[in-house]
Amino acid sequence: DGGITQSPKYLFRKEGQNVTLSCEQNLNHDAMYWYRQDPGQGLRLIYYSQIVNDFQKGDIAEGYSVSREKKESFPLTVTSAQKNPTAFYLCASSTLAGGSTDTQYFGPGTRLTVL
Amino acid sequence: AQKITQTQPGMFVQEKEAVTLDCTYDTSDQSYGLFWYKQPSSGEMIFLIYQGSYDEQNATEGRYSLNFQKARKSANLVISASQLGDSAMYFCAMREPFYNQGGKLIFGQGTELSVKP
Repeated sequence: DGGITQSPKYLFRKEGQNVTLSCEQNLNHDAMYWYRQDPGQGLRLIYYSQIVNDFQKGDIAEGYSVSREKKESFPLTVTSAQKNPTAFYLCASSTLAGGSTDTQYFGPGTRLTVL
Repeated sequence: AQKITQTQPGMFVQEKEAVTLDCTYDTSDQSYGLFWYKQPSSGEMIFLIYQGSYDEQNATEGRYSLNFQKARKSANLVISASQLGDSAMYFCAMREPFYNQGGKLIFGQGTELSVKP
């Protein structure tokens, strides 16, 4: 079955720690995205990547970092510089063939809590 | 900039009845896509239905249909024969063009649907 996997499902971070959220897709999609969701709100873009070894900042990139060494993988690191990291993190991917009409598909999400 | 507006924070519907969730949008682009996603309490964002701006017919996917009124810039989701499992948060979204942040999705605030037995 093709899809997007994220791990872990729940993650707890202590103050001052960096943590890495995993995102893997086997849909052969070129574009991958990281979104953050806060309670009762829609999603906001953190980072995106349209090709291997290239990625760009989204609307709320401060305190986050990413890498795209393989087409299938787009891990997100939440650094200690992120002052309010408690949130739900969703990874998405899509093709680039149809422009703004291509559907983005999402993984199951990672819920990060700062202790 | 593109914008999505969902004006119904919460909706109730009786099981087996139909319900309409409202969505209006604003864009200056001629070519665009509108999407509806379902987010149950587990958190996963599930794609439901898509409507392209040039599609002449309203999109349908099983019990989901999209009432697309281009002149009014509305893209309402209709769920027929509601089931208890339909209780969830529903988001309307639009993609930016790819030259704008890789075609990120712009989301509305969401509508929480509760289906009553």
